[in-house]
Amino acid sequence: ETGVTQTPRHLVMGMTNKKSLKCEQHLGHNAMYWYKQSAKKPLELMFVYNFKEQTENNSVPSRFSPECPNSSHLFLHLHTLQPEDSALYLCASSQDLAEIPQGDEQFFGPGTRLTVL
Amino acid sequence: SQKIEQNSEALNIQEGKTATLTCNYTNYSPAYLQWYRQDPGRGPVFLLLIRENEKEKRKERLKVTFDTTLKQSLFHITASQPADSATYLCALGITGKLIFGQGTELSVKP
Repeated sequence: ETGVTQTPRHLVMGMTNKKSLKCEQHLGHNAMYWYKQSAKKPLELMFVYNFKEQTENNSVPSRFSPECPNSSHLFLHLHTLQPEDSALYLCASSQDLAEIPQGDEQFFGPGTRLTVL
Repeated sequence: SQKIEQNSEALNIQEGKTATLTCNYTNYSPAYLQWYRQDPGRGPVFLLLIRENEKEKRKERLKVTFDTTLKQSLFHITASQPADSATYLCALGITGKLIFGQGTELSVKP
């Protein structure tokens, strides 16, 4: 157990559905991340939150909408997705985003395997 | 263009041998580099961090080197075991963010 949980673990949705992915960290960290991992491709950073404020949106389509109500919880709201959005969605946390990066390790959840039909 | 390249092919080695994985990058200037292990169906797990002013780091059977002139990191697992079989990811630390390589799949045969 890494201290980062994600639900659901698996999700199948149609292109017209709306669903949400949930991430919770029990580590007292201040920074949280969403990544997308497609088969045979590197992890792609999607969003970064530090102290509940979004600090990075890596040109992600608006059909993905993040929400960070507090430092322990992170959501990814999904609507009108495309089949190419099928992937493993990983949440991670780290201590914080220091002005002089110390290289804090990131703790990853187990991911949500998303299939868009 | 900016690129991170890890061993493109899966690496198959015999138990007890040393596994060496490479991570090469172009047009990046990372402040640090991290290595992660990922098992099927699970999230990556942090293994080691090495900073730009460090040449080598060790942790138990693991060793990482970082050559900012060659723009390369090498990751070694000595006395490899079947339990070391996994995908290994390198990640460059750029302005507080991690940029990941595509990973190298390592298989250690008994």
